[in-house]
Amino acid sequence: ETGVTQTPRHLVMGMTNKKSLKCEQHLGHNAMYWYKQSAKKPLELMFVYSLEERVENNSVPSRFSPECPNSSHLFLHLHTLQPEDSALYLCASSQSRMQSYEQYFGPGTRLTVT
Amino acid sequence: GQSLEQPSEVTAVEGAIVQINCTYQTSGFYGLSWYQQHDGGAPTFLSYNGLDGLEETGRFSSFLSRSDSYGYLLLQELQMKDSASYFCAVRGATNKLIFGTGTLLAVQP
Repeated sequence: ETGVTQTPRHLVMGMTNKKSLKCEQHLGHNAMYWYKQSAKKPLELMFVYSLEERVENNSVPSRFSPECPNSSHLFLHLHTLQPEDSALYLCASSQSRMQSYEQYFGPGTRLTVT
Repeated sequence: GQSLEQPSEVTAVEGAIVQINCTYQTSGFYGLSWYQQHDGGAPTFLSYNGLDGLEETGRFSSFLSRSDSYGYLLLQELQMKDSASYFCAVRGATNKLIFGTGTLLAVQP
């Protein structure tokens, strides 16, 4: 595998379900990011991890819970989501937090909350 | 507040040159990045301007004027495969990347 991978690519879940999104980067980067992309809206930064430490939480509701067990893996745990949370969730990485201008994105997970 | 403005849509023909503008108003500014995203695909990094002036990478060039809070992406010798959304993004305070709403470029034969 090369670059940034995300699983699953598509996810449909009910509002009472619990699921997790997984991201893995094979680039040796030290910073990882979660973004939400909704139609007609800019990419919204959710969380930033630098060297496995969360350095940014962009006022994200607690029903989204990130986890970064090591510098190559990033998870987004989901529970009791709302229909408005349906979106494309993108993971990205950069060499370091200082080099955030050049990020490498995964293909995303298309999430539908029913 | 923080805002980035780009045209929502641009149409051009194959072989032509197109310029996509971006104006920004952000708290803290370190530079301007450009990303390309094909429909259904992941955003991919195109260029970064940390200083004023023009950066050239093949058929793509990017320009920044800090005094005008303005930048643009210039695409030359347009090809059908350039049809995609293009996002400008400001590297702002705390090194966060703040994205614009994107410009949908349609290249016609």
